[in-house]
Amino acid sequence: AQTVTQSQPEMSVQEAETVTLSCTYDTSESDYYLFWYKQPPSRQMILVIRQEAYKQQNATENRFSVNFQKAAKSFSLKISDSQLGDAAMYFCAYRSGQATDKLIFGTGTRLQVFP
Amino acid sequence: NAGVTQTPKFRILKIGQSMTLQCTQDMNHNYMYWYRQDPGMGLKLIYYSVGAGITDKGEVPNGYNVSRSTTEDFPLRLELAAPSQTSVYFCASRQQVGAFFGQGTRLTVV
Repeated sequence: AQTVTQSQPEMSVQEAETVTLSCTYDTSESDYYLFWYKQPPSRQMILVIRQEAYKQQNATENRFSVNFQKAAKSFSLKISDSQLGDAAMYFCAYRSGQATDKLIFGTGTRLQVFP
Repeated sequence: NAGVTQTPKFRILKIGQSMTLQCTQDMNHNYMYWYRQDPGMGLKLIYYSVGAGITDKGEVPNGYNVSRSTTEDFPLRLELAAPSQTSVYFCASRQQVGAFFGQGTRLTVV
């Protein structure tokens, strides 16, 4: 069975600085997707960024980028120029490449942003 | 475009009561999911559906039932509420890669 591990329960960063959130996963599959979701206090789950395992290039979405290390099964999220609105829980998630499969979540990292 | 809509947003149940959490999506997505999120934890899959008329158990299905009579609707039923079912419940749908989530239902069983 696949597992997703987030070893940092809490992280903090100052506004305008850069922070990296860690995620590791375990799978025997070669075809899969990885995601980072943001959950602000409103509880809404917001897709931040996604990575297809077959792509070697790291995904980037504005200030958010990932460091995808397939051999090491590592998928970290880098937030550049942190903003107060980035404060939230961040969840790493895995989904098999099989069409019917479901998302498996890590336990989350709470990010605090200080002015 | 409303996306994924869950009702109610909050509910308090007494032990042994029943209720249905409603979930509707207007994106014509085939895949729909129910997750629960316990305090300080990630989301655990309760049930999922790959299309109308097809449902399957996830990681924590005990105490719940689902149905999928239409593409749009995927209600979650609690028959005999127990304190262990106190949680936040999320419905999600997807068609391609990324999933869209509803805003969640906070359920307390007392």
